[in-house]
Amino acid sequence: AQSVTQLGSHVSVSEGALVLLRCNYSSSVPPYLFWYVQYPNQGLQLLLKYTSAATLVKGINGFEAEFKKSETSFHLTKPSAHMSDAAEYFCAGTNFGNEKLTFGTGTRLTIIP
Amino acid sequence: NAGVTQTPKFQVLKTGQSMTLQCAQDMNHNSMYWYRQDPGMGLRLIYYSASEGTTDKGEVPNGYNVSRLNKREFSLRLESAAPSQTSVYFCASIETRRRYQVPRATDTQYFGPGTRLTVL
Repeated sequence: AQSVTQLGSHVSVSEGALVLLRCNYSSSVPPYLFWYVQYPNQGLQLLLKYTSAATLVKGINGFEAEFKKSETSFHLTKPSAHMSDAAEYFCAGTNFGNEKLTFGTGTRLTIIP
Repeated sequence: NAGVTQTPKFQVLKTGQSMTLQCAQDMNHNSMYWYRQDPGMGLRLIYYSASEGTTDKGEVPNGYNVSRLNKREFSLRLESAAPSQTSVYFCASIETRRRYQVPRATDTQYFGPGTRLTVL
Protein backbone atom coordinates (compact mmCIF):
# COMPACT_ATOMS: atom_id res chain seq x y z
CA ALA A 1 0.00 0.00 0.00
CA GLN A 2 1.10 3.52 -0.72
CA SER A 3 1.64 6.09 2.03
CA VAL A 4 3.08 9.58 1.97
CA THR A 5 4.59 11.66 4.74
CA GLN A 6 4.99 15.40 4.70
CA LEU A 7 7.63 16.80 7.00
CA GLY A 8 6.65 20.09 8.58
CA SER A 9 3.06 21.14 8.97
CA HIS A 10 4.05 24.81 8.70
CA VAL A 11 6.83 26.39 6.64
CA SER A 12 7.63 30.10 6.49
CA VAL A 13 9.92 31.66 3.91
CA SER A 14 10.73 35.22 2.97
CA GLU A 15 9.51 36.62 -0.31
CA GLY A 16 12.14 35.86 -2.95
CA ALA A 17 13.66 32.96 -0.99
CA LEU A 18 13.75 29.29 -1.95
CA VAL A 19 10.67 27.24 -1.19
CA LEU A 20 11.27 23.60 -0.18
CA LEU A 21 8.37 21.40 0.92
CA ARG A 22 9.22 17.83 1.81
CA CYS A 23 7.39 14.64 0.92
CA ASN A 24 8.51 11.06 1.40
CA TYR A 25 6.70 7.98 0.23
CA SER A 26 6.71 4.36 1.22
CA SER A 27 5.67 1.81 -1.28
CA SER A 28 6.56 -1.69 -2.26
CA VAL A 29 5.78 -0.91 -5.89
CA PRO A 30 6.69 2.07 -8.06
CA PRO A 31 4.58 5.02 -7.04
CA TYR A 32 2.81 7.75 -8.87
CA LEU A 33 3.09 11.00 -6.93
CA PHE A 34 1.23 14.29 -6.99
CA TRP A 35 1.46 17.72 -5.45
CA TYR A 36 -1.77 19.65 -4.94
CA VAL A 37 -2.21 23.23 -3.72
CA GLN A 38 -5.16 24.57 -1.77
CA TYR A 39 -5.68 28.32 -1.60
CA PRO A 40 -7.82 29.70 1.22
CA ASN A 41 -11.45 28.66 0.98
CA GLN A 42 -10.91 26.79 -2.28
CA GLY A 43 -10.64 23.20 -3.44
CA LEU A 44 -7.41 21.45 -4.34
CA GLN A 45 -5.66 22.17 -7.61
CA LEU A 46 -3.02 19.98 -9.23
CA LEU A 47 0.48 21.50 -9.26
CA LEU A 48 2.36 18.62 -10.84
CA LYS A 49 2.58 14.85 -10.99
CA TYR A 50 5.18 12.14 -11.41
CA THR A 51 4.13 9.25 -13.61
CA SER A 52 7.43 7.36 -14.04
CA ALA A 53 8.66 9.37 -16.99
CA ALA A 54 11.12 12.17 -16.22
CA THR A 55 12.29 12.29 -12.61
CA LEU A 56 12.28 16.11 -12.60
CA VAL A 57 8.74 17.31 -13.00
CA LYS A 58 7.81 20.89 -13.74
CA GLY A 59 4.44 22.23 -12.70
CA ILE A 60 2.45 25.40 -12.72
CA ASN A 61 3.46 28.69 -11.10
CA GLY A 62 7.18 27.91 -11.28
CA PHE A 63 7.09 24.86 -9.00
CA GLU A 64 8.98 21.67 -9.68
CA ALA A 65 9.62 18.39 -7.89
CA GLU A 66 12.23 15.71 -8.22
CA PHE A 67 11.54 12.02 -7.75
CA LYS A 68 14.46 10.37 -5.95
CA LYS A 69 14.03 6.64 -5.60
CA SER A 70 17.14 6.23 -3.45
CA GLU A 71 15.73 8.68 -0.91
CA THR A 72 12.03 7.73 -1.43
CA SER A 73 11.35 11.44 -1.76
CA PHE A 74 9.38 13.81 -3.95
CA HIS A 75 10.16 17.26 -2.57
CA LEU A 76 8.53 20.37 -4.01
CA THR A 77 10.67 23.42 -4.76
CA LYS A 78 10.40 26.90 -6.17
CA PRO A 79 13.49 29.11 -6.58
CA SER A 80 11.86 32.38 -5.54
CA ALA A 81 8.79 32.62 -3.35
CA HIS A 82 5.99 35.01 -4.18
CA MET A 83 3.31 36.29 -1.86
CA SER A 84 0.70 34.51 -3.97
CA ASP A 85 2.30 31.16 -3.09
CA ALA A 86 0.85 31.30 0.41
CA ALA A 87 -1.40 28.24 0.61
CA GLU A 88 -1.57 24.69 1.89
CA TYR A 89 0.25 22.05 -0.11
CA PHE A 90 -0.57 18.36 -0.19
CA CYS A 91 1.54 15.51 -1.42
CA ALA A 92 -0.42 12.47 -2.61
CA GLY A 93 0.44 9.08 -4.01
CA THR A 94 -0.93 5.95 -5.54
CA ASN A 95 0.25 2.87 -7.41
CA PHE A 96 -0.35 1.22 -10.75
CA GLY A 97 -3.85 -0.22 -10.95
CA ASN A 98 -5.16 1.88 -8.08
CA GLU A 99 -7.11 5.05 -8.83
CA LYS A 100 -7.44 6.03 -5.16
CA LEU A 101 -5.04 8.64 -3.84
CA THR A 102 -3.45 8.65 -0.40
CA PHE A 103 -2.84 12.18 0.84
CA GLY A 104 -0.23 13.52 3.20
CA THR A 105 -1.27 15.70 6.12
CA GLY A 106 -0.43 18.94 4.34
CA THR A 107 2.08 21.78 4.75
CA ARG A 108 0.92 25.33 5.23
CA LEU A 109 3.28 27.76 3.47
CA THR A 110 3.52 31.31 4.76
CA ILE A 111 5.39 33.99 2.82
CA ILE A 112 7.03 36.74 4.84
CA PRO A 113 7.12 40.13 3.09
CA ASN B 1 -17.41 24.47 -17.92
CA ALA B 2 -18.25 24.95 -14.26
CA GLY B 3 -16.03 21.98 -13.35
CA VAL B 4 -16.97 20.36 -10.04
CA THR B 5 -19.66 22.16 -8.05
CA GLN B 6 -20.79 21.50 -4.50
CA THR B 7 -23.78 22.65 -2.48
CA PRO B 8 -24.15 23.97 0.11
CA LYS B 9 -20.93 25.87 0.88
CA PHE B 10 -21.65 26.03 4.60
CA GLN B 11 -23.98 24.10 6.87
CA VAL B 12 -24.60 23.89 10.59
CA LEU B 13 -26.48 20.87 11.95
CA LYS B 14 -27.55 19.69 15.35
CA THR B 15 -26.58 16.22 16.49
CA GLY B 16 -28.98 13.67 15.04
CA GLN B 17 -30.10 15.75 12.09
CA SER B 18 -29.71 14.48 8.56
CA MET B 19 -28.59 16.19 5.39
CA THR B 20 -27.33 15.53 1.89
CA LEU B 21 -24.30 17.16 0.33
CA GLN B 22 -24.62 17.58 -3.41
CA CYS B 23 -21.87 17.31 -6.00
CA ALA B 24 -22.05 17.66 -9.76
CA GLN B 25 -19.46 17.73 -12.54
CA ASP B 26 -19.90 18.77 -16.15
CA MET B 27 -16.68 17.27 -17.52
CA ASN B 28 -18.14 13.89 -18.48
CA HIS B 29 -15.94 12.11 -15.94
CA ASN B 30 -16.78 8.56 -14.99
CA SER B 31 -15.27 8.38 -11.52
CA MET B 32 -16.21 10.58 -8.58
CA TYR B 33 -15.03 10.78 -4.96
CA TRP B 34 -16.00 12.17 -1.58
CA TYR B 35 -13.29 13.21 0.88
CA ARG B 36 -13.26 14.82 4.27
CA GLN B 37 -10.50 17.18 5.37
CA ASP B 38 -9.60 17.55 9.01
CA PRO B 39 -6.76 19.58 10.54
CA GLY B 40 -3.51 17.63 10.66
CA MET B 41 -5.01 14.65 8.85
CA GLY B 42 -5.02 15.64 5.20
CA LEU B 43 -7.80 14.31 3.01
CA ARG B 44 -9.38 10.97 3.71
CA LEU B 45 -11.55 9.10 1.23
CA ILE B 46 -15.11 8.45 2.38
CA TYR B 47 -16.68 6.82 -0.69
CA TYR B 48 -16.02 6.70 -4.37
CA SER B 49 -17.89 5.76 -7.50
CA ALA B 50 -15.88 4.28 -10.34
CA SER B 51 -18.78 4.63 -12.76
CA GLU B 52 -22.46 5.38 -12.90
CA GLY B 53 -24.36 2.83 -10.83
CA THR B 54 -21.41 1.69 -8.70
CA THR B 55 -20.16 2.88 -5.32
CA ASP B 56 -17.45 1.61 -2.97
CA LYS B 57 -16.28 2.40 0.54
CA GLY B 58 -13.13 4.35 1.13
CA GLU B 59 -11.05 4.79 4.27
CA VAL B 60 -13.72 6.36 6.54
CA PRO B 61 -17.23 5.36 5.36
CA ASN B 62 -18.96 4.91 8.72
CA GLY B 63 -21.88 7.29 9.24
CA TYR B 64 -22.22 8.12 5.55
CA ASN B 65 -24.14 6.92 2.54
CA VAL B 66 -23.76 7.88 -1.09
CA SER B 67 -25.80 7.88 -4.26
CA ARG B 68 -24.52 8.10 -7.79
CA LEU B 69 -27.66 9.57 -9.25
CA ASN B 70 -26.35 9.72 -12.79
CA LYS B 71 -23.03 10.32 -14.48
CA ARG B 72 -22.95 13.98 -13.40
CA GLU B 73 -24.08 13.78 -9.79
CA PHE B 74 -22.71 12.07 -6.68
CA SER B 75 -24.35 12.88 -3.34
CA LEU B 76 -23.20 12.22 0.22
CA ARG B 77 -25.77 11.71 2.97
CA LEU B 78 -25.39 11.95 6.71
CA GLU B 79 -28.36 10.11 8.22
CA SER B 80 -27.74 11.09 11.84
CA ALA B 81 -25.06 13.72 12.15
CA ALA B 82 -22.51 13.55 14.96
CA PRO B 83 -19.99 16.17 16.17
CA SER B 84 -17.19 13.91 14.87
CA GLN B 85 -18.48 14.62 11.38
CA THR B 86 -17.62 18.30 11.67
CA SER B 87 -15.25 18.73 8.76
CA VAL B 88 -14.74 20.17 5.31
CA TYR B 89 -16.06 17.86 2.61
CA PHE B 90 -14.65 17.78 -0.89
CA CYS B 91 -16.01 16.14 -3.96
CA ALA B 92 -13.68 15.23 -6.82
CA SER B 93 -13.89 13.66 -10.23
CA ILE B 94 -11.19 12.07 -12.28
CA GLU B 95 -10.19 12.85 -15.82
CA THR B 96 -9.56 10.03 -18.21
CA ARG B 97 -8.60 10.53 -21.81
CA ARG B 98 -9.03 7.06 -23.15
CA ARG B 99 -11.81 5.66 -25.26
CA TYR B 100 -13.36 3.47 -22.60
CA GLN B 101 -12.90 5.96 -19.77
CA VAL B 102 -11.23 3.51 -17.40
CA PRO B 103 -9.33 5.56 -14.81
CA ARG B 104 -5.67 5.00 -14.22
CA ALA B 105 -3.47 5.85 -11.31
CA THR B 106 -1.83 8.65 -13.31
CA ASP B 107 -5.07 10.49 -14.04
CA THR B 108 -5.74 13.87 -12.46
CA GLN B 109 -8.47 14.45 -9.90
CA TYR B 110 -10.45 17.70 -10.09
CA PHE B 111 -11.84 19.05 -6.84
CA GLY B 112 -14.88 21.08 -5.95
CA PRO B 113 -14.69 24.13 -3.64
CA GLY B 114 -15.80 22.19 -0.56
CA THR B 115 -18.63 22.20 1.97
CA ARG B 116 -17.82 23.32 5.50
CA LEU B 117 -20.03 21.35 7.90
CA THR B 118 -20.37 21.97 11.62
CA VAL B 119 -22.31 19.56 13.82
CA LEU B 120 -23.24 20.94 17.23
